Amino acid sequence: KAGVTQTPRYLIKTRGQQVTLSCSPISGHRSVSWYQQTPGQGLQFLFEYFSETQRNKGNFPGRFSGRQFSNSRSEMNVSTLELGDSALYLCASSLQASGRTDTQYFGPGTRLTVL
Amino acid sequence: QQPVQSPQAVILREGEDAVINCSSSKALYSVHWYRQKHGEAPVFLMILLKGGEQKGHEKISASFNEKKQQSSLYLTASQLSYSGTYFCGTNTGNQFYFGTGTSLTVIP
Repeated sequence: KAGVTQTPRYLIKTRGQQVTLSCSPISGHRSVSWYQQTPGQGLQFLFEYFSETQRNKGNFPGRFSGRQFSNSRSEMNVSTLELGDSALYLCASSLQASGRTDTQYFGPGTRLTVL
Repeated sequence: QQPVQSPQAVILREGEDAVINCSSSKALYSVHWYRQKHGEAPVFLMILLKGGEQKGHEKISASFNEKKQQSSLYLTASQLSYSGTYFCGTNTGNQFYFGTGTSLTVIP
């Protein structure tokens, strides 16, 4: 099976712009979660989508949003970019939604740099 | 709510053993362990589901004490390939929390 894919891998934007990141989960997986990773804050949960519905949301401002399509592919959007949004954005797919026993498989991430 | 890991960093020589601890202030229903190498995505190691459960993966094993809300990851006879940052994680049912991370470096 192909793994989780994320596009683009690298992105450079300027403050105030918006950005859209894409994630394709493993075939058959219906849950996609997004994480932000920074040296200072570590891995922080953004949100989770299951069957096109946002199931859970972390403590991020409304500038961060996402959606999931019928084929389980997911997109994450960040509007009005700030310098502090520079980070590695990881998506992870799993079979179930919010499963306490479910394994998450991570994509390679998108490295976003905001200038 | 983020699980706290200790130590923050450890350096080992090949063949030495290490223990990484994960402690939570919230009730743990399960504990996940991941390893992330520099520049790569986290890779799943194992899940522990029940209090007192232990699991093993090659020379890496873990225990989970549900009552103490703690989990420990044991690396025995470490190899160079074990280098990386180890994260514990827990799913509260609302969101997934990763631990603070432990950087492990194995040197020849």
